[in-house]
Amino acid sequence: SQKIEQNSEALNIQEGKTATLTCNYTNYSPAYLQWYRQDPGRGPVFLLLIRENEKEKRKERLKVTFDTTLKQSLFHITASQPADSATYLCALGTGGFKTIFGAGTRLFVKA
Amino acid sequence: GAGVSQSPRYKVAKRGQDVALRCDPISGHVSLFWYQQALGQGPEFLTYFQNEAQLDKSGLPSDRFFAERPEGSVSTLKIQRTQQEDSAVYLCASSLGGQEYNEQFFGPGTRLTVL
Repeated sequence: SQKIEQNSEALNIQEGKTATLTCNYTNYSPAYLQWYRQDPGRGPVFLLLIRENEKEKRKERLKVTFDTTLKQSLFHITASQPADSATYLCALGTGGFKTIFGAGTRLFVKA
Repeated sequence: GAGVSQSPRYKVAKRGQDVALRCDPISGHVSLFWYQQALGQGPEFLTYFQNEAQLDKSGLPSDRFFAERPEGSVSTLKIQRTQQEDSAVYLCASSLGGQEYNEQFFGPGTRLTVL
């Protein structure tokens, strides 16, 4: 069956460290993958998109990698700050207009 | 400019009632999406509009769910004869173009509770 898996357990890290979140998928061949941030009571906010022919994408303190062989994307936040605390969602674009979201990973950054 | 807005923000319905949820996308955005988000889960795709055309409704869970976007701007998601399992946050998103790669801008959602 088709699945998208993100760490179900919350990730707790110390301010200044690098946070790494994982997104694994099975039985999909995504054309692209997106990462969103969601705060409690709010809608997701787009962060980065990476296409199937790209290995890595960066934006300020954010970095995303996409390995279509491993069927995995890694999302890194460097020099993390308490304000980065949120739920991070990965989402697959499968070639139509339907976007498939993972359940998200909660990140807590302690000062 | 204004982002995506949704109304009402909260809705409580008795089982069996009909509800209508409204989405005002960003002006000029061609694409509009509806998602359902259960507690602790990611958004689950319901339906997609390009202008007024509903191009994908494969995610609508039953024929009690109906969405429309008659003039290619405001959209309404209607749920008939609500049931307890319909309780969730309903998110609307819009994007500028009709290309699947476009960034989606989400509204704050409508939290529906069915008693």
